[in-house]
Amino acid sequence: NAGVTQTPKFRILKIGQSMTLQCAQDMNHNYMYWYRQDPGMGLKLIYYSVGAGITDKGEVPNGYNVSRSTTEDFPLRLELAAPSQTSVYFCASSPTGGDRLGYGYTFGSGTRLTVV
Amino acid sequence: QKEVEQDPGPLSVPEGAIVSLNCTYSNSAFQYFMWYRQYSRKGPELLMYTYSSGNKEDGRFTAQVDKSSKYISLFIRDSQPSDSATYLCAMSKAAGNKLTFGGGTRVLVKP
Repeated sequence: NAGVTQTPKFRILKIGQSMTLQCAQDMNHNYMYWYRQDPGMGLKLIYYSVGAGITDKGEVPNGYNVSRSTTEDFPLRLELAAPSQTSVYFCASSPTGGDRLGYGYTFGSGTRLTVV
Repeated sequence: QKEVEQDPGPLSVPEGAIVSLNCTYSNSAFQYFMWYRQYSRKGPELLMYTYSSGNKEDGRFTAQVDKSSKYISLFIRDSQPSDSATYLCAMSKAAGNKLTFGGGTRVLVKP
């Protein structure tokens, strides 16, 4: 089925470790996003990309890095994991950035990350 | 102060009742308004989309936007237990801009 695929679904990291959260979409969407969702909180934008080779910071980028070498993939890198990065991470994509045509975002099913 | 405010709930209603959800926002530049539904341990999914002020109806769901009051609403008629989820409002300023999300309201529909 077409959509956004995130791996892994769950991960436990030790403080100081690094990891990459994978995100892939097969809808040929130009725009891709990484959000984190903390309990009882809304979605906070970490990084986004408007196309291959172009990325920009969202509201909470510290401690994360991204790259976008292809239209399909948008991995999120955590360097030197900290307990404050314990969260659920969602990747999303859209054909445009602002839903002018009402497409909305397509979200993946999330990666639950715990840093201990 | 957050740009988009949403009561976290939980909002508990009996099956068949009308569910009323709302968000307030502070930035008058927002023009595109959406409601997303998120089931437990799942990603959000787009439920309703409206542009500027007005109403939009889709089956049991009605979305309203009042830009003069900076207030948006979602109504769910004849609520079902399957409507139990967290509902997130989201909005953007223009095409090509990022979405700003509310914190979500948890809804419980009891049989």
